[in-house]
Amino acid sequence: GAVVSQHPSRVICKSGTSVKIECRSLDFQATTMFWYRQFPKQSLMLMATSNEGSKATYEQGVEKDKFLINHASLTLSTLTVTSAHPEDSSFYICSAAGTLPRDTIYFGEGSWLTVV
Amino acid sequence: AQKVTQAQTEISVVEKEDVTLDCVYETRDTTYYLFWYKQPPSGELVFLIRRNSFDEQNEISGRYSWNFQKSTSSFNFTITASQVVDSAVYFCALSEANTGANSKLTFGKGITLSVRP
Repeated sequence: GAVVSQHPSRVICKSGTSVKIECRSLDFQATTMFWYRQFPKQSLMLMATSNEGSKATYEQGVEKDKFLINHASLTLSTLTVTSAHPEDSSFYICSAAGTLPRDTIYFGEGSWLTVV
Repeated sequence: AQKVTQAQTEISVVEKEDVTLDCVYETRDTTYYLFWYKQPPSGELVFLIRRNSFDEQNEISGRYSWNFQKSTSSFNFTITASQVVDSAVYFCALSEANTGANSKLTFGKGITLSVRP
């Protein structure tokens, strides 16, 4: 079964509004989670590294004020897309490093965001 | 900078055929980790394997096998006797040891595998 859960799986929002996506590690604590973005038929691009209790580290070219990341607990990281625009429509997926015996990187189910 | 190249973009095979998905990587690190993930149409990424740079042994898991060749910087994935359920996009990825084995990944562009009945 899934060890990293994302919610919502699909969301449609209006331009100018904000939308929050949650990423939870289900049976382990994750001090670090990662947020990726994937455009249709393209690869995954790292957006930011989410660190529990501290500020996220954003990749070059990612607007930190637009993509707000909060990692308030060891099992939850959130990505908020602020003032969404149609070009923000994409597939967003998070990952977390598991702990033994799940010693690898697990991904959530992903969230499809459509901005209309 | 690290880079993962999956030169094949789309592969189509008939069920029961064997198929090999290629992955070539670039990194300056001597210690690194290689991954394969499967992404079915639903979107989630399914973990298939993680291999560290010091372990060049080939691995077999059921119909899946992986061939790691440091000399050619390749980590190829073979599916034996393919099935329709194997149809998906397959990603090869790399992480560097200095950021941790289970850290941020650099992905290849993915290979879309279609298995026809």
